[in-house]
Amino acid sequence: DTAVSQTPKYLVTQMGNDKSIKCEQNLGHDTMYWYKQDSKKFLKIMFSYNNKELIINETVPNRFSPKSPDKAHLNLHINSLELGDSAVYFCASSQDLSGTQYFGPGTRLLVL
Amino acid sequence: AQSVTQPDIHITVSEGASLELRCNYSYGATPYLFWYVQSPGQGLQLLLKYFSGDTLVQGIKGFEAEFKRSQSSFNLRKPSVHWSDAAEYFCAVGVRGGADGLTFGKGTHLIIQP
Repeated sequence: DTAVSQTPKYLVTQMGNDKSIKCEQNLGHDTMYWYKQDSKKFLKIMFSYNNKELIINETVPNRFSPKSPDKAHLNLHINSLELGDSAVYFCASSQDLSGTQYFGPGTRLLVL
Repeated sequence: AQSVTQPDIHITVSEGASLELRCNYSYGATPYLFWYVQSPGQGLQLLLKYFSGDTLVQGIKGFEAEFKRSQSSFNLRKPSVHWSDAAEYFCAVGVRGGADGLTFGKGTHLIIQP
């Protein structure tokens, strides 16, 4: 069984659209994250979500909003997509804020 | 804020040769340190981690890393590389109880020559 899963694996969409990426973890972890990997493969934290507390990286545009329906899920909603949003988005989870993070397979987003 | 430097963008190694990938970090206290590997088109797989204790840590796939506080380094090593080790390697630092997630280096691309 996959520990951290993401859907879809690939997402191609037009500028201005709204899209969502889903993330689920079956590890029983309390903390989940979203990272963005740019075209140069640089990884940067976007959000962390722990015990219903959301920590936002201040550089993330407010077009991005994480939603957690329960502890096992942290979905990423993106409004008004822009060309610069094209990237690979990784979900991760850890037992707590100090724990080892386990990553999902990534969602490759291409905005045309 | 913490930072991670991987000074080598690309490294080419012959199959069967030894490997060392460099990682330096900047953080005021003792950090948590990680090495992840990313194969083309794949996600990130944890190779090994250092939280505390023995400064030489063993990981999967025959990798090891040594934490050297005096040099602020956490270099990754493997005595004999295999063609399947060709991938992107990321060093990362985490903070105890920190909500800022992991801070990653820019990665080292490992090429294996036959």
